[in-house]
Amino acid sequence: KAGVTQTPRYLIKTRGQQVTLSCSPISGHRSVSWYQQTPGQGLQFLFEYFSETQRNKGNFPGRFSGRQFSNSRSEMNVSTLELGDSALYLCASSLGGQRSVYGYTFGSGTRLTVV
Amino acid sequence: GENVEQHPSTLSVQEGDSAVIKCTYSDSASNYFPWYKQELGKGPQLIIDIRSNVGEKKDQRIAVTLNKTAKHFSLHITETQPEDSAVYFCAASMGGKSTFGDGTTLTVKP
Repeated sequence: KAGVTQTPRYLIKTRGQQVTLSCSPISGHRSVSWYQQTPGQGLQFLFEYFSETQRNKGNFPGRFSGRQFSNSRSEMNVSTLELGDSALYLCASSLGGQRSVYGYTFGSGTRLTVV
Repeated sequence: GENVEQHPSTLSVQEGDSAVIKCTYSDSASNYFPWYKQELGKGPQLIIDIRSNVGEKKDQRIAVTLNKTAKHFSLHITETQPEDSAVYFCAASMGGKSTFGDGTTLTVKP
């Protein structure tokens, strides 16, 4: 059974640029969540998509956006990059029923460095 | 919103000893409490979870307890081994969103 695939693994961008990260969830999982992990702030929730709709959103500025496709694959985009956006971005997939919660299967993450 | 506090931030034990990590949460609507283990260079991995209608759950050397009244839950690892060394995260979840604790770095000394 294939795990959660995130691409690319590493990325270096310049301040002001934009970036798109990709996540392929486990087959059959309909929920994809994105987290930002930094040493100082821990794991911070960005957003969750379920059946192509954003179901939950964290407290990040509008520069952070995402979407989910009909095959459950998801992308997140960060525009106008700032130095503080340097972090490990983790994608997590789960079965994600309407009312139930399930554990996550995380990808290995995309390490974004903004210079 | 939900707030999760996790203690201790670091924990060092001798191989074979037990380790306990504690978490408290603030939102009584949270109904699912997973624990994750993160090794260097990898994403967190789900190791055990408990739902709000259960007080305790065990899986081999790992157990989790939940006290809904006090809003706290704990991870217990018995007979620790060097391969248990990692960062452990607790989380409180509700409706598709999980709020994580800040993590505990567990070191098991041989």
